[in-house]
Amino acid sequence: GIQVEQSPPDLILQEGANSTLRCNFSDSVNNLQWFHQNPWGQLINLFYIPSGTKQNGRLSATTVATERYSLLYISSSQTTDSGVYFCAVLITSGTYKYIFGTGTRLKVLA
Amino acid sequence: GAVVSQHPSRVICKSGTSVKIECRSLDFQATTMFWYRQFPKQSLMLMATSNEGSKATYEQGVEKDKFLINHASLTLSTLTVASAHPEDSSFYICSAPATGGGGVQETQYFGPGTRLLVL
Repeated sequence: GIQVEQSPPDLILQEGANSTLRCNFSDSVNNLQWFHQNPWGQLINLFYIPSGTKQNGRLSATTVATERYSLLYISSSQTTDSGVYFCAVLITSGTYKYIFGTGTRLKVLA
Repeated sequence: GAVVSQHPSRVICKSGTSVKIECRSLDFQATTMFWYRQFPKQSLMLMATSNEGSKATYEQGVEKDKFLINHASLTLSTLTVASAHPEDSSFYICSAPATGGGGVQETQYFGPGTRLLVL
C-alpha cells in the first residue's frame, strides 16, 4: 500500500522561528490535507491542498503532486503552534479513504 | 465549518465490558464516516469505513466481530468495542467528509475523539 512519511519526526523551536515540515508519499493521490492535532487530541484542518500553494496567516502549504511531496511552512512560530502535524492523502483506488502520515511533533519554546 | 461530535469523550471500564462510542455530524449529513484508532505517540490508523444503510468496510487486521459498526442514520455512526480488553485501550476518532457523500473533493472533519481505558 501507499506509504506516507513525514520529516522531521520531532522539532523543537524557539518562539519566533520559522520551520518547514515535509510530507512524502509513495504513489499518486487524489488529494492531500494537513492537520494540527492539539494537546487534547482534536484534529484541526489546516489546508486542503491537492496541488499548488495556499496561505493562511502564518501558515502556508505547497503540494507538488507530480513529485509526490507536500510542504507545510510555519513562520514566526508561537507556543500555541505546539502539537503534532499530520498530512493525510486521499486514495480512491478500490475504496475511498485517507491514509495518515507518520506525523511531526512540534514543540515551541517561549 | 462542519462539526462532528463524539460521545463519550472518555471512558474507563473493566475488562470484558462492551463500550459504545457515538459519532454525529451536527450540521450536515454523512453517508460515509470513518473510524480511526491512535495509540500514544503514533499516527492515526484507519479501522473501518462506515456506510449508511449498509455494512461497514474494515481494514486488514481489524476484527469485525470485535469492533462493531452501525451507521443507522445520515448523522450517526456508532462503534462498539465488544468485550474490551486492556490492549483495546486507545484514542478512537471518527471523521466525516464535509459534504457527506465521499467524493474526491471532500475535506474530512474530525470528531474530538474518545479515550478508552480498559482496566
